[in-house]
Formats: sequence, structure tokens, C-alpha cells
Amino acid sequence: ELKVEQNPLFLSMQEGKNYTIYCNYSTTSDRLYWYRQDPGKSLESLFVLLSNGAVKQEGRLMASLDTKARLSTLHITAAVHDLSATYFCAGTSNRDDKIIFGKGTRLHILP
Amino acid sequence: EPEVTQTPSHQVTQMGQEVILRCVPISNHLYFYWYRQILGQKVEFLVSFYNNEISEKSEIFDDQFSVERPDGSNFTLKIRSTKLEDSAMYFCASSPPAGPQPQHFGDGTRLSIL
Repeated sequence: ELKVEQNPLFLSMQEGKNYTIYCNYSTTSDRLYWYRQDPGKSLESLFVLLSNGAVKQEGRLMASLDTKARLSTLHITAAVHDLSATYFCAGTSNRDDKIIFGKGTRLHILP
Repeated sequence: EPEVTQTPSHQVTQMGQEVILRCVPISNHLYFYWYRQILGQKVEFLVSFYNNEISEKSEIFDDQFSVERPDGSNFTLKIRSTKLEDSAMYFCASSPPAGPQPQHFGDGTRLSIL
């Protein structure tokens, strides 16, 4: 069964800095997701990555997928406090299958 | 934009009681899911539902759990005899019949078992 591992699990960083969250998965995944969760809130879909080499960007966040390495990254550029949240990487074996989540990366951006 | 809606937002129940968590998926979606998230932990899959039947369930989804789509719009999760460890946030999700869109999650129901 698909397993998803994220690191780091906790990240505290200064505003203005760049950082990358890594997501490794164990078997072939049909699609790779990144979700954001604010405390006590629901899961907001950030990116869906479907193919090798896929790169998507939204504001200061950029996600990429390397299916050969079974690795996805979420890169944060010039972090701002509003990006403080927990970010989950997740994958599915098939489009309509359950989503398997990583443990999440709790990102704390210091002003 | 259409949303998945869940009610109630917070449910407090005595241990051993039955609870029903309700979800209204997005109207043209065909696949429905329940997930749970124990406080501070990762989101875990419970069950998926398609064509009026369970398509997959996890080890967590034991005999105390059941799902139903009683009227073509609601999708419910019933926990028959709640235990303390059932305290968690429960998320409903739905996905459309085709295309790359991700599963859309509701805001969740926080279930507190006393």
C-alpha cells in the first residue's frame, strides 16, 4: 500500500527566507497532492501533480513532482507570516481511491 | 464555488452513545469519502463510497461504523457505540466523476466523546 513520508515535520523559519518541504512516497502514485490546513480548519487543496516533471506555482509556493525518484517538493519563496500552517503531502494509487496523507509539516513563520 | 458541507460542526456525546455525522457532497460528485484526524495527527482514511455501496474501507472502519446515502444528497457516518478514542475531527470529501480535480473536503465535524 502507498506510504507517504514528509520531512521535516516541523519547521520554524524567518520571514523572507526560502525553504523546501520534501515528500517521498513508496509506490507508484497516480497523483500527488499538497494540502494546507490552518489550526482547527479543513484541508485546502493547493496543488495536484499528475505527471513526472510537473511543476505548479501559486504565489510564494511551488510544487514539483519527480515520479522516478518518487519525490515531491513544496518550495516556499520569501516566506511571509500568512503562510504559517500545516502542509500535507498526499497521494492516491488511482484517481478515485482513498487519499493517503503524510504526517504533515507544521510550518511556523516568525515575523 | 460549490462546497462540501458538514453538520454539526461540533458534537459532544457521552461514551457508548450513537452519533450520526452528516455531509452534503457537491451535487455532481459521485465518489464520497470519510476521513478522520485525531488532534495533532495526520488525516486517516476511513471509507469510500460509490454507486450506493462501500468501495473500500480501512482497518479503523470496524463494525461500529456505517455509512449511508439515505436520500441522494446526504452522506452520513454513523458510529454506533462511541468510545473515547473516537474523539477526532471527521472530514467528509467528494470527488467529481472525471478529470484531475482533487477531492473536495468539508469543514469537518469535531467529535468529542466524554
